[in-house]
Amino acid sequence: GQQLNQSPQSMFIQEGEDVSMNCTSSSIFNTWLWYKQDPGEGPVLLIALYKAGELTSNGRLTAQFGITRKDSFLNISASIPSDVGIYFCAGSYTLQGGSEKLVFGKGMKLTVNP
Amino acid sequence: NAGVTQTPKFQVLKTGQSMTLQCAQDMNHEYMSWYRQDPGMGLRLIHYSVGAGITDQGEVPNGYNVSRSTTEDFPLRLLSAAPSQTSVYFCASSYSVGEQLWGYTFGSGTRLTVV
Repeated sequence: GQQLNQSPQSMFIQEGEDVSMNCTSSSIFNTWLWYKQDPGEGPVLLIALYKAGELTSNGRLTAQFGITRKDSFLNISASIPSDVGIYFCAGSYTLQGGSEKLVFGKGMKLTVNP
Repeated sequence: NAGVTQTPKFQVLKTGQSMTLQCAQDMNHEYMSWYRQDPGMGLRLIHYSVGAGITDQGEVPNGYNVSRSTTEDFPLRLLSAAPSQTSVYFCASSYSVGEQLWGYTFGSGTRLTVV
């Protein structure tokens, strides 16, 4: 089945720095989603992308849906301590029967040093 | 709106015991899913449902059963718990617009330990 390769697996940055992460696949996806998960909590949706080439911002977050529909990136600018957490990408694709299925990357653990 | 509600938040089971993890959503979403999250493995799909009365297997379905008698509820049953099922379980719901999933929302999780 479809798989997502998320990189890097972890990052250690200083407060104020920018950070980039991406997800790639050999398969085509209809939707790309980016989530953040805090310890002990469920993933929370940060940005959703629905069109190839789409570039979307949400505050300090910017994400893009790759033009080939096989990749996506997420940038965080001017990081702050509360950005700490695990970031997941997810892509949805259409099954043969017509229903949609979502697959997740393995996550990137972000540490921000004050 | 409460969103996606999971109960219980924590559970300890003995090997061989059975239990049901509850999931309810009040957003009238047709899609509901169960995932398990293990260290270094990300989120893996157990079972999913595209509407009341319709369920299908995900990536790791063995040892789990589901049913979807109403739009709101999607319980996950462990018939005979095993230590390999120690994990954090997340329920999620969404709706579709054409070929895309919208509003994909997660519950806060159930942390299950099987001893």
